[in-house]
Amino acid sequence: DTGVSQDPRHKITKRGQNVTFRCDPISEHNRLYWYRQTLGQGPEFLTYFQNEAQLEKSRLLSDRFSAERPKGSFSTLEIQRTEQGDSAMYLCASSFPIPTDTGIKNIQYFGAGTRLSVL
Amino acid sequence: GQQLNQSPQSMFIQEGEDVSMNCTSSSIFNTWLWYKQDPGEGPVLLIALYKAGELTSNGRLTAQFGITRKDSFLNISASIPSDVGIYFCAGQLWDSNYQLIWGAGTKLIIKP
Repeated sequence: DTGVSQDPRHKITKRGQNVTFRCDPISEHNRLYWYRQTLGQGPEFLTYFQNEAQLEKSRLLSDRFSAERPKGSFSTLEIQRTEQGDSAMYLCASSFPIPTDTGIKNIQYFGAGTRLSVL
Repeated sequence: GQQLNQSPQSMFIQEGEDVSMNCTSSSIFNTWLWYKQDPGEGPVLLIALYKAGELTSNGRLTAQFGITRKDSFLNISASIPSDVGIYFCAGQLWDSNYQLIWGAGTKLIIKP
């Protein structure tokens, strides 16, 4: 399988603990995105990387959240001192922008997500 | 926060019926995307639209990019049980680092 993979699929933790999630993008994709999704809502953008550079962070990404993509391949998202409000599905997506005659095609392909439950 | 209005919020239909859902925005987009999400899984791309007025099909699915670039619809013909799930529209601008702006989803339920 050469799609986006995320690990773990599920994480249960106690409030105040730190958690780390991993995302492996599609191998030739240079862009990697993190989203958070709560029940009944669409995904909300958190941050994205082009290669190893983190180019944009949402204001949703508080100081307790940090993301890295050290070698421009896999990425990690860490949440420190988790709170119950952090409970959500964390989705990773990757893409490779392609210029065409009609504009830029930049399709984001998603992993299956990591479901975080903070007790 | 989300800027797309997606409707309906949910649909209860009989197997074999056609389904229609749409998204509208106060802003224009360069690309419209439709994804389907099953419980506990990530969104899966169904159709991508790149030009105003474009009509694209993928099997029993048909989607159109509105002429004003502020709306899109998705039709599913002859629904089957595996069509159950949540359908999301997403708009994308080329000058916004390609961020996706999402609708809140349309939940499709097929009555037994």
